[in-house]
Amino acid sequence: EIVMTQSPATLSVSPGERATLSCRASQSVSSNLAWYQQKPGQAPRLLIYDASTRATGIPARVSGSGSGTEFTLTISSLQSEDFAVYYCQQYNNWPTFGQGTKVEIK
Amino acid sequence: EVQLVESGGGLGQPGGSLRLSCAASGFTFRSYWMSWVRQAPGKGLEWVANIKQDGSEKYYVDSVKGRFTISRDNAKNSLYLQMNSLRAEDTAVYYCARDHQMATFAFDIWGQGTMVTVSS
Repeated sequence: EIVMTQSPATLSVSPGERATLSCRASQSVSSNLAWYQQKPGQAPRLLIYDASTRATGIPARVSGSGSGTEFTLTISSLQSEDFAVYYCQQYNNWPTFGQGTKVEIK
Repeated sequence: EVQLVESGGGLGQPGGSLRLSCAASGFTFRSYWMSWVRQAPGKGLEWVANIKQDGSEKYYVDSVKGRFTISRDNAKNSLYLQMNSLRAEDTAVYYCARDHQMATFAFDIWGQGTMVTVSS
């Protein structure tokens, strides 16, 4: 099983600032990585797939980068709707998720 | 509108069974791999199972192998999860999810989820 580790667990950011979330895989997953956003009481929403491709309807302020074992999700100029929990997920092997990073208002 | 709607959750007895259903609409269901993903209360996400477009291939996470069965009926645009030999650790919200057409095992459409509680 490929273990996904996200950091930090909680990120406190002011509206309008940049948020940078990290995800590390226990072995290479190539570019087979997705990012999801989940708000309380809601289903997850796909943001990024193939490490850097934005899903349909995702704004340009959301970007993904990385390959192999190290990945980053960047949200430039945080808006109120961006405060949520974010999960990374690899699908190079049987899919596994990270434990999540909560982005909260500073 | 592309939509997935789950049903069938509720209270199950340890060792008992439940059957979850997922009704798909707004897209060509038979063209997509489909998955079940679960989330225990206050916890992260766990992929449970998925099934190929024609049902010829099915895959499961180790913890449910031999107990859960995923199936689909393309004529009814429906996905199912038969859950047998339930355990307390199966307690979770179960989401039906569509696999991305360009990235199988990345999930681009999710249902609202159905809660399964296993308790005596």
